[in-house]
Amino acid sequence: EVQLLESGGDLAPPGGSLRLSCAASGFTFSRNPMSWVRQAPGKGLEWLSAINGIGTNKYYADAVKGRFTISRDNSKSTLYLQLNSLRAEDTAVYYCARDPEGTHGDYFDCWGQGTLVTVSS
Amino acid sequence: DIQMTQSPSTLSASVGDRVTITCRASQSISRWLAWYQQKPGKAPKLLIYEASTLESGVPSRFSGSGSGTEFTLTITSLQPDDFATYYCQQHNSYDYNFGQGTKLEIK
Repeated sequence: EVQLLESGGDLAPPGGSLRLSCAASGFTFSRNPMSWVRQAPGKGLEWLSAINGIGTNKYYADAVKGRFTISRDNSKSTLYLQLNSLRAEDTAVYYCARDPEGTHGDYFDCWGQGTLVTVSS
Repeated sequence: DIQMTQSPSTLSASVGDRVTITCRASQSISRWLAWYQQKPGKAPKLLIYEASTLESGVPSRFSGSGSGTEFTLTITSLQPDDFATYYCQQHNSYDYNFGQGTKLEIK
């Protein structure tokens, strides 16, 4: 069974940092591009960042460019998102999501359960 | 960036109804559009990709159509389990923006 399990969400102060992890199982992790998507309380979905299967190509939404860093460790089947310079508007549930192999662009056929990041003093 | 706009924002319907949700892109995205269903407190679920391809396991009462800048998601014969929020997402190019969502409520 394909599974994604996020962790690392927590309460952090404005300007603080967090590192989110997403442990994958049930598929060959290195074959799939992966993304992070977030959802602020009561709001819609916002794509944040994507990384290709081997970790060489990374893409970011303008809202997080320069503050967030996506990475992956295929030997551990784990995706990461480093969150720096956190702002109140970064408060959200953060999801990792899998892009099926060989697709045009990225859409997401498998999602984790989400991890909550709260930015507040 | 390609902006995605859904309408309506809220839709009230009854079990057994046929409903249509529209998604418009700010520029042409060919057929590169996906639809998701999300229930409160849960992760989104992929329903349709490439505008009209049904994801495995998704009931056939869901269908998608469109190309270019205008797309629709149609649900025929609404079931109680279908009341949820629906999002479109363009998968043509970065950034992979979502629409703002359409909440399907029970009338």
